[in-house]
Formats: sequence, C-alpha cells, structure tokens
Amino acid sequence: RKEVEQDPGPFNVPEGATVAFNCTYSNSASQSFFWYRQDCRKEPKLLMSVYSSGNEDGRFTAQLNRASQYISLLIRDSKLSDSATYLCVFPGGGNKLTFGTGTQLKVEL
Amino acid sequence: DTAVSQTPKYLVTQMGNDKSIKCEQNLGHDTMYWYKQDSKKFLKIMFSYNNKELIINETVPNRFSPKSPDKAHLNLHINSLELGDSAVYFCASSQVSDGYTFGSGTRLTVV
Repeated sequence: RKEVEQDPGPFNVPEGATVAFNCTYSNSASQSFFWYRQDCRKEPKLLMSVYSSGNEDGRFTAQLNRASQYISLLIRDSKLSDSATYLCVFPGGGNKLTFGTGTQLKVEL
Repeated sequence: DTAVSQTPKYLVTQMGNDKSIKCEQNLGHDTMYWYKQDSKKFLKIMFSYNNKELIINETVPNRFSPKSPDKAHLNLHINSLELGDSAVYFCASSQVSDGYTFGSGTRLTVV
C-alpha cells in the first residue's frame, strides 16, 4: 500500500457545489496531517492542518478518520477560485512531509 | 518581502552541464528542504537540513549535492545534468512540526 493515496481527479463541479476529497494513508502512527493547495505552475501552499478533532475554516472542513486511516476535505459553495490541485500531506520522520499526488479540482460556471 | 526565495526561476541548460540553484529564507526557521516535482506532479523530498546539518538524504544520485552555509540558506548543486533531471525544484523551510513554506520553484529544463 502506498504511503499516501489520493484520487487524481479531475473533479469537475459547478460553481456553488459541495465537493469532498478523501486521502488514505498507511502509517497508523501519524498524528497530524495537512491539506495543501497548489495552483498551476505555482508552489504548494498550506490550506489547513488536520487534527484528531477535525478542523473548519470558512467553507473548508477537514476531518480525520483514524480507524479507517483516511482524511477528508470538504469544500462548500465552490468558487471558481477554488480550482487547483489539493495535496494530502502527512509528517514522516525528521520534519519530513510526505505528499500525495494530489486531487485536481475544476470549478466551472 | 518574500519568505522563501529561490533563484533562478527558470533554468534551461544542456546535458552534461553543472548548475546551481540557490535558496534563502527569512523566516528564522531551523529546517530547510529540497523537493523535486516531476512531470506527473509528484512532490518527492530530496534533502533536509536542520541548522546546517544534513538530516534527510533520500535516494538521490550523488550528482546532486546540497550545501547549507548557514541555517537561512540551502543551495543545490547538480553535476553532469541529465534529461531526467528536468523538473521543478522547490525549496521549503519549516519550524518543528509546522507546515512548510515553499519557495516559488525553479523550473529546470535539460536539453
């Protein structure tokens, strides 16, 4: 099983839709996770940290299901500007972060 | 006031050449990294330095040599460039268990 697995997409959704991505991980010892956003030809940027209690920031909600070893990202009321690749990330040893291959989201009019 | 800056932004060079990419961070972070993002968009760690000391060295050809003169700088030197080295190279920094701050990337094309 890969360390981190994500559905590559693309997810094509209309503006205003709710969309959710999942990411599965294999290292059951991982304690914290992150979602990063990467726009085309840009660097990844931290979107949210994911704790055991979940995390909500405006239209974005991240949750952790430790029993099934996946994290999720829910985006409500999608905007055109949400179009990007969303990377699931978890820490390894020595401050190392392991990145998933990303899920591409395209929000359309 | 760029937090993590890397130069150059674009680099086109011929096979066999030697090139360097520079990275500087003004965030006061202790740890710096080099990541490679290939054509399939997969981000893979190459090196990590903590306070000038190498702590992560993933299976990277020894043609790649990182150098950290101080904790705010981490440079990457590549010898005898090959076609397969073409990718986007990202520098990043972090403090303890915080997320990373990435530089804007160096797009390397080997022809």
